[in-house]
Amino acid sequence: DAGITQSPRHKVTETGTPVTLRCHQTENHRYMYWYRQDPGHGLRLIHYSYGVKDTDKGEVSDGYSVSRSKTEDFLLTLESATSSQTSVYFCAISESRAGGRQPQHFGDGTRLSIL
Amino acid sequence: QQPVQSPQAVILREGEDAVINCSSSKALYSVHWYRQKHGEAPVFLMILLKGGEQKGHDKISASFNEKKQQSSLYLTASQLSYSGTYFCGTEMNSGGYQKVTFGTGTKLQVIP
Repeated sequence: DAGITQSPRHKVTETGTPVTLRCHQTENHRYMYWYRQDPGHGLRLIHYSYGVKDTDKGEVSDGYSVSRSKTEDFLLTLESATSSQTSVYFCAISESRAGGRQPQHFGDGTRLSIL
Repeated sequence: QQPVQSPQAVILREGEDAVINCSSSKALYSVHWYRQKHGEAPVFLMILLKGGEQKGHDKISASFNEKKQQSSLYLTASQLSYSGTYFCGTEMNSGGYQKVTFGTGTKLQVIP
């Protein structure tokens, strides 16, 4: 199994508070991704990173920011959490290898509830 | 653009076959397939690249028709362990940073 650790695994917080989720990998993969998963919507990309300090927005990036200061860590921050951000958040990683596309490997997810 | 999957849900008896389709309104470079069991992380099944290839993984195989911008996942002689939600993910560009857009999933239930 790919070495991906998400923390925390569960969190309950109140509207308006800041929240940071962490994704840590031991695979030295170039690409890291944050998705949210909601019923009826599948997996939607929030932000992704293609290297240290290199990040870009996904399809649902409003209200979220990310940082990657080291290859192994990718942080997702909700500056001021809202109830619409209640979701299951998955981190994923993939290699950069010439000659084709590489699979994404997912962490176990963080269940975030915002009251 | 989120790919469209069909059907949204299917119930099979053990040993039956199923096909899950994934289509896009835009030209595709690659299609990924993943399976997710309830309460778990998605798990990679296979990737198909532009070129119309077909791949297999045990009794699960897939095809990619780039002209029709479609991919299909074939589950043969289904087993109870095949139950879960299947997601396709699509990439439109050969360059860029391997950004995948996922469909909303197909829930497959295999019953004895």
